[in-house]
Amino acid sequence: AQSVAQPEDQVNVAEGNPLTVKCTYSVSGNPYLFWYVQYPNRGLQFLLKYITGDNLVKGSYGFEAEFNKSQTSFHLKKPSALVSDSALYFCAVRDDNYGQNFVFGPGTRLSVLP
Amino acid sequence: EADIYQTPRYLVIGTGKKITLECSQTMGHDKMYWYQQDPGMELHLIHYSYGVNSTEKGDLSSESTVSRIRTEHFPLTLESARPSHTSQYLCASSEYQGIISGNTIYFGEGSWLTVV
Repeated sequence: AQSVAQPEDQVNVAEGNPLTVKCTYSVSGNPYLFWYVQYPNRGLQFLLKYITGDNLVKGSYGFEAEFNKSQTSFHLKKPSALVSDSALYFCAVRDDNYGQNFVFGPGTRLSVLP
Repeated sequence: EADIYQTPRYLVIGTGKKITLECSQTMGHDKMYWYQQDPGMELHLIHYSYGVNSTEKGDLSSESTVSRIRTEHFPLTLESARPSHTSQYLCASSEYQGIISGNTIYFGEGSWLTVV
């Protein structure tokens, strides 16, 4: 079975500081990993994904994520946070041994303080 | 931008009413999904479809039903709404190329349902 953990319910960071939103996963096969962002009263927007290749993936709005196979992690990062980055962030995984559906983490609320 | 559309965005209805939430996508995706999400909470998969005439139940039991008569259309119906059905319903779609696929899932803007 596949699973996704986001160990922090809430992350607070000051504007201009770097931010990290953590994600760890468990799969039986090769993982396909995704990050999504959700603003209030909106659907989820795709940020980036890791399929294969370079462990550092760059995505929308200046976000990037680092795939670490040994630590089974896929942390989302941004060098300089903006107040407008405040939102709910979801990590998701798809397992090539269980390729039917996506499994989403519980979400992490990011608050960027001015 | 994902071309997936949900209507209505917001709906308030009385207990016992029948409602249908509409979802359409113009990306030609075979696979479509419905998720239920309470405000700020995790997503729960309630239905999905591999293509026309395919419907499957998701991980969370739901009293709703779905149909897939056309590739682009995946409506969700509640025959008799109850206050416990109050939630946000998110429609999504992705390409389906068999078991091994890293295709992205794209979401609509959601339909907020309140049953009074």
